[in-house]
Amino acid sequence: AQRVTQPEKLLSVFKGAPVELKCNYSYSGSPELFWYVQYSRQRLQLLLRHISRESIKGFTADLNKGETSFHLKKPFAQEEDSAMYYCALKDSNYQLIWGAGTKLIIKP
Amino acid sequence: KAGVTQTPRYLIKTRGQQVTLSCSPISGHRSVSWYQQTPGQGLQFLFEYFSETQRNKGNFPGRFSGRQFSNSRSEMNVSTLELGDSALYLCASSLGQINNEQFFGPGTRLTVL
Repeated sequence: AQRVTQPEKLLSVFKGAPVELKCNYSYSGSPELFWYVQYSRQRLQLLLRHISRESIKGFTADLNKGETSFHLKKPFAQEEDSAMYYCALKDSNYQLIWGAGTKLIIKP
Repeated sequence: KAGVTQTPRYLIKTRGQQVTLSCSPISGHRSVSWYQQTPGQGLQFLFEYFSETQRNKGNFPGRFSGRQFSNSRSEMNVSTLELGDSALYLCASSLGQINNEQFFGPGTRLTVL
């Protein structure tokens, strides 16, 4: 079954500390993976996708097919990174399958 | 470009009623997807329309339906409302190809009493 798992509902780290938001997926084909972010009182928006292999706002995510993971990382957290983060997988039918989300809190 | 708009933003209905939600995509976007977001189930895919055709459907009962018009605007309808239908309904639009970014609207908050 196709599934996206974000094991942490809540992650709290201090400003300046490294951040890693975990995402594991289950999918038989070739996945298209995304990280979306929702800041307080803002719309859900795309943060990054694995095919772009880009760094957005200091965040990176590498697709590890062996471990079926797509963890989101940032070396030094900033207070403005506090938000809800969702990992999502798009299958061959254009359907986005979402993880439950991780609330990231950056403590000053 | 104007973003995705959804109307109404808030809605209160009673059990058994039906409701229609509207979504206007970004100009030029031909794909519209609908999602239900609840605290318990998170984000769940409802359906996706592309050029007036339903291209994909999630695992929701037939009470949930939708359509897309020639101008790409989309509506979703929920009939015979149940308490469990209370949720934030999100609409997202994209150009339509598998790796195109989806742009989300602000959502319609539906409360069923």
